[in-house]
Amino acid sequence: AQTVTQSQPEMSVQEAETVTLSCTYDTSESDYYLFWYKQPPSRQMILVIRQEAYKQQNATENRFSVNFQKAAKSFSLKISDSQLGDAAMYFCAYRRTRSNDMRFGAGTRLTVKP
Amino acid sequence: EAEVAQSPRYKITEKSQAVAFWCDPISGHATLYWYRQILGQGPELLVQFQDESVVDDSQLPKDRFSAERLKGVDSTLKIQPAELGDSAMYLCASSGMGRDYYEQYFGPGTRLTVT
Repeated sequence: AQTVTQSQPEMSVQEAETVTLSCTYDTSESDYYLFWYKQPPSRQMILVIRQEAYKQQNATENRFSVNFQKAAKSFSLKISDSQLGDAAMYFCAYRRTRSNDMRFGAGTRLTVKP
Repeated sequence: EAEVAQSPRYKITEKSQAVAFWCDPISGHATLYWYRQILGQGPELLVQFQDESVVDDSQLPKDRFSAERLKGVDSTLKIQPAELGDSAMYLCASSGMGRDYYEQYFGPGTRLTVT
């Protein structure tokens, strides 16, 4: 079974600083997708960034980047130049290619201090 | 920008009552998902539709939960009878075709409280 672990229930960062959220996963598959989703308070979950396992290059979306370590089964999210609007729950998710099943971690609550 | 719509946003019901949630996916999205998110946890898939057909309902408690997507567009998730342990956020998501199949777009959710 595939499991996703987020070991940091809560994190905080000063505005304009950089923060890294951790995620590890367990799988025997070689072909899969990894995602980071953001869930602001009382708002819908939105996709932040996606990584295909076959790609060696780490995905980047503006201030958001990942450190994908396939052998270590690690998928961390780095947020640079943190903004107040980045405050949210962040979920790491795994999905095996051609599978229906998306597995989510328990989430990390990020607080941004002005 | 197209969004997934859900209603109601909040629902309070007594145990043993029936409750229903509605979801309207992004136009053109063939795949629709219902998730349950217990407070402090990540979402867990309840059921997945491809058009009007159920693709995966292995985690749906079928003795009390039912879901339908009769015309392959909007969907309804029903709980009857509701139990205290059903208190949670119920999320609907949809995805399109090709590369977009792996990218799910979520609605705002329905927060259910069972008293």
